[in-house]
Amino acid sequence: GENVEQHPSTLSVQEGDSAVIKCTYSDSASNYFPWYKQELGKGPQLIIDIRSNVGEKKDQRIAVTLNKTAKHFSLHITETQPEDSAVYFCAAKDSSYKLIFGSGTRLLVRP
Amino acid sequence: NAGVTQTPKFQVLKTGQSMTLQCAQDMNHNSMYWYRQDPGMGLRLIYYSASEGTTDKGEVPNGYNVSRLNKREFSLRLESAAPSQTSVYFCASSSPGGWNQPQHFGDGTRLSIL
Repeated sequence: GENVEQHPSTLSVQEGDSAVIKCTYSDSASNYFPWYKQELGKGPQLIIDIRSNVGEKKDQRIAVTLNKTAKHFSLHITETQPEDSAVYFCAAKDSSYKLIFGSGTRLLVRP
Repeated sequence: NAGVTQTPKFQVLKTGQSMTLQCAQDMNHNSMYWYRQDPGMGLRLIYYSASEGTTDKGEVPNGYNVSRLNKREFSLRLESAAPSQTSVYFCASSSPGGWNQPQHFGDGTRLSIL
């Protein structure tokens, strides 16, 4: 089945800097890759997703890139703000139609 | 907009006790899911219901049962709770179109089993 690895597990950046979180997946049939943000005591919230027919998608300060050949995808946050501090999860939909999550990245944006 | 509502928010059980976690969504979604979240392991799928009247096992179904009561409600039952089931449980829902539709999560039930 699908396996998703996420790095780094923790990331600390200065406010205004960029943050990059990377994920790799194992099932070449996977075709949907969402990213979720989870704040303390809350459920995960979808922030952006990408399907395998595109290589990049942007939404204001957030972008996701997908490299199907290398089977990895990344989340890019520019001009980080303290409110971006949270745990971020990547996920991949595998060929058995189950959404498999990475282990999460705790992002801290220092003021 | 309530979205996905889970009850209770917190619960402490003794080993061997039974418990039902409730989930309801008001977005008219067909598909609903139950996940557990453990430290350092992300979210793992326990059971899902692609549509009303159907349920299927996910990655970690042992020790759990589910009921899709109607289109809105999807409950998770622990028949005989074990300490290994201490976790945060999340319910989610998504609209028709398969697994590449965004999933919307509730705020979780924090369950401790002593």
